[in-house]
Amino acid sequence: NAGVTQTPKFQVLKTGQSMTLQCAQDMNHEYMSWYRQDPGMGLRLIHYSVGAGITDQGEVPNGYNVSRSTTEDFPLRLLSAAPSQTSVYFCASSYSTQITDTQYFGPGTRLTVL
Amino acid sequence: GQQVMQIPQYQHVQEGEDFTTYCNSSTTLSNIQWYKQRPGGHPVFLIQLVKSGEVKKQKRLTFQFGEAKKNSSLHITATQTTDVGTYFCAGRNRGSTLGRLCFGRGTQLTVWP
Repeated sequence: NAGVTQTPKFQVLKTGQSMTLQCAQDMNHEYMSWYRQDPGMGLRLIHYSVGAGITDQGEVPNGYNVSRSTTEDFPLRLLSAAPSQTSVYFCASSYSTQITDTQYFGPGTRLTVL
Repeated sequence: GQQVMQIPQYQHVQEGEDFTTYCNSSTTLSNIQWYKQRPGGHPVFLIQLVKSGEVKKQKRLTFQFGEAKKNSSLHITATQTTDVGTYFCAGRNRGSTLGRLCFGRGTQLTVWP
């Protein structure tokens, strides 16, 4: 199993550009989520999904869209990039939505918005 | 809403010294999980505590969950340079939406050889 994969690893955007961060998992996990990590801010939840076709907002959803058309994939779309979205983005998954399930994180995408 | 606070934000120790990070929640938690992130890496699951007053050990690491299930701690005995990284706690409210796992801001540990 590859686990949780994310592409690209690094990305530089100009303000106003749009792009999609890809996330895929091959563990048949129900639950997937996106976090952003900024210095001193920890991991903040952007959006999450408890199954194909179901998504919900997290703590910091503004400026981001998600969809979950398959169990495996959970892309994160930046609609119009802003410098405030410069961050490291992590995708995570877990087997189910049981409270005791652990999160498996992808390697991250380091995004810079100029 | 749920908040998970973690202190200290930074800790610098000399190799061989002990280290502790504390996690406090404004609400009662169903469980608490601890993760470690090496510099430049991604968070990796360490352990989970579920029961009130639970204590678990992993070699030099000791994890505790408070009696009221509102706080937790991670203690490392005799730190080594391999312990360098950021340690995060994460918890869910009892009865909250299952999808919302709330992370603390993390404690960044530096170990001097």
